[in-house]
Amino acid sequence: ILNVEQSPQSLHVQEGDSTNFTCSFPSSNFYALHWYRWETAKSPEALFVMTLNGDEKKKGRISATLNTKEGYSYLYIKGSQPEDSATYLCAFSSGYSTLTFGKGTMLLVSP
Amino acid sequence: DTGVSQDPRHKITKRGQNVTFRCDPISEHNRLYWYRQTLGQGPEFLTYFQNEAQLEKSRLLSDRFSAERPKGSFSTLEIQRTEQGDSAMYLCASSHIPGELFFGEGSRLTVL
Repeated sequence: ILNVEQSPQSLHVQEGDSTNFTCSFPSSNFYALHWYRWETAKSPEALFVMTLNGDEKKKGRISATLNTKEGYSYLYIKGSQPEDSATYLCAFSSGYSTLTFGKGTMLLVSP
Repeated sequence: DTGVSQDPRHKITKRGQNVTFRCDPISEHNRLYWYRQTLGQGPEFLTYFQNEAQLEKSRLLSDRFSAERPKGSFSTLEIQRTEQGDSAMYLCASSHIPGELFFGEGSRLTVL
């Protein structure tokens, strides 16, 4: 059974704060690590797909890092905005298998 | 709209009734996935199709659940004799590259 853990479970920050979340996953049989953003009443939206140890990816104010040897990934949001409020999901893939998701981190950004 | 579409978006049913959800994937995607998300959990894998072939099923998919993808296009997920524990968001996703999933907005099921 693959175990993907995310922390914190929820987070409430003020507009302008920077924040980060953690995703831990099995370090063996690693193929890819995905980050998704899921806003209420919308579909989960892919943010990043990361495959190489040491990968760093960036999209606007959001960035992510990957450490496959120790089995963790960080997602950073710089200068949080209310529109960043969503649940952030990470998902682990060990090859051609399906994705195994964590429970997500629910972010609320107050103006 | 060329994204993944799911129907219905919401379904309320009484325990013991059958329900069916439909998913229309992105047209050029040959892979289609069903996931279920319950309160406080991340999406949990249910089943996966490549074209019309159902290649993988989770042990979560009891014999009351059946999924089809005739002709390798749209897919249906049927739940027979619904139970209150079936209340969840049922998510469909499609892809043409392994693991890179595009999700629909989900079908929320409430079993009374």
